[in-house]
Amino acid sequence: QVQLVESGGGVVQPGRSLRLSCAASGFTFSSYGMHWVRQAPGKGLEWVAVIWYDGSNKYYADSVKGRFTISRDNSKNTLYLQMNSLRAEDTAVYYCARERLLYSGYDSMGSDYWGQGTLVTVSS
Amino acid sequence: DIQLTQSPSFLSASVGDRVTITCRASQGISSYLAWYQQKPGKAPKLLIYAASTLQSGVPSRFSGSGSGTEFTLTISSLQPEDFATYYCQQLNSYPFTFGQGTRLEIK
Repeated sequence: QVQLVESGGGVVQPGRSLRLSCAASGFTFSSYGMHWVRQAPGKGLEWVAVIWYDGSNKYYADSVKGRFTISRDNSKNTLYLQMNSLRAEDTAVYYCARERLLYSGYDSMGSDYWGQGTLVTVSS
Repeated sequence: DIQLTQSPSFLSASVGDRVTITCRASQGISSYLAWYQQKPGKAPKLLIYAASTLQSGVPSRFSGSGSGTEFTLTISSLQPEDFATYYCQQLNSYPFTFGQGTRLEIK
């Protein structure tokens, strides 16, 4: 069965960095685009970034552009989110999610599998 | 960026009721819209994609419609397990965006 397991969350000071990982299993990871979505405490969902199945394209929310980098290692079935220059407003549960559409490029049909989330708290 | 506005933001209803949630986009997004259900402390669950296609395993009491700028999610007969928060997401252009959510509570 499809599983996505995030790790790497924790408490970090403003301005510091953190790298999240998402270990995928139960499907051909290299065939699917992957997303990061976050949710601040008590707030709604915010899309963060996407990386295409082959890593050829990446897109970001305006709120994280220039500070966060999404990447993947298809040989390790793992998705990453490098977060630099962290701010208090980046505090959230971060979810990795699989694109529903196989070999999707610009087309997207939403995210059909999600991890359990990992909490990132940015605080001094 | 494309903005999505859901209405209402809060909805109180009873088991067996028919409810409709609306999602309006700030510009046309064709049918590139998905609906999710989220329960407290859980990850979102995909209900509908391509505006009106039911995701596998989702009960048929859920349905979606619309195209362009106006979309609806309808639950034909509310069940106790349907009380949750619902989000729409546009997938027409990056950055993808979510609506602010509709919280559905038991009356």
